[in-house]
Amino acid sequence: DVKVTQSSRYLVKRTGEKVFLECVQDMDHENMFWYRQDPGLGLRLIYFSYDVKMKEKGDIPEGYSVSREKKERFSLILESASTNQTSMYLCASRHTGFAGELFFGEGSRLTVL
Amino acid sequence: SQKIEQNSEALNIQEGKTATLTCNYTNYSPAYLQWYRQDPGRGPVFLLLIRENEKEKRKERLKVTFDTTLKQSLFHITASQPADSATYLCALDPPGSARQLTFGSGTQLTVLP
Repeated sequence: DVKVTQSSRYLVKRTGEKVFLECVQDMDHENMFWYRQDPGLGLRLIYFSYDVKMKEKGDIPEGYSVSREKKERFSLILESASTNQTSMYLCASRHTGFAGELFFGEGSRLTVL
Repeated sequence: SQKIEQNSEALNIQEGKTATLTCNYTNYSPAYLQWYRQDPGRGPVFLLLIRENEKEKRKERLKVTFDTTLKQSLFHITASQPADSATYLCALDPPGSARQLTFGSGTQLTVLP
């Protein structure tokens, strides 16, 4: 059974803390993505990576960074968490190639106090 | 700029009826369009893909149409059941990128028994 696994389902952090969200996929996909999802705003792309050590900014990269040291793992980093980063974070992966479907993890709900 | 709109935030229908969800896009001609289902607190799950040269696609009780002239996709669930209650998202490839998807904000469908 193919899988995208996110390390934490629920996190509560304080303003200013550094936050790591980890994502692992077992499908040998080249492309990995981090989205955030907020009511009424839908899914918005933060960053994506098309290869190891490669990354590209999505629509809302401010306040975030990413790391991809291994093909199967893609980490999202909040250097100094703020309350407006309270959200549901979704990791996804897909093969390179035309029209491939996205496989999503279960999501990480982050609350920043 | 490119925009994706899904017809309404919420749609209620009676069990056994056909649910019809709408996805409209502007300022772009995508090569394909995808539909996903998302249950509360979970990641989206891929349902169907339709290419620009396809008018219609079916999978069990699901049917998707794609009208590139109207810039619209319709997603139908026939003989709807309470278990079909979920949020449905449409997604398409944005201009200039074969790797990422842009999502609509979703329509929350409730099938009433």
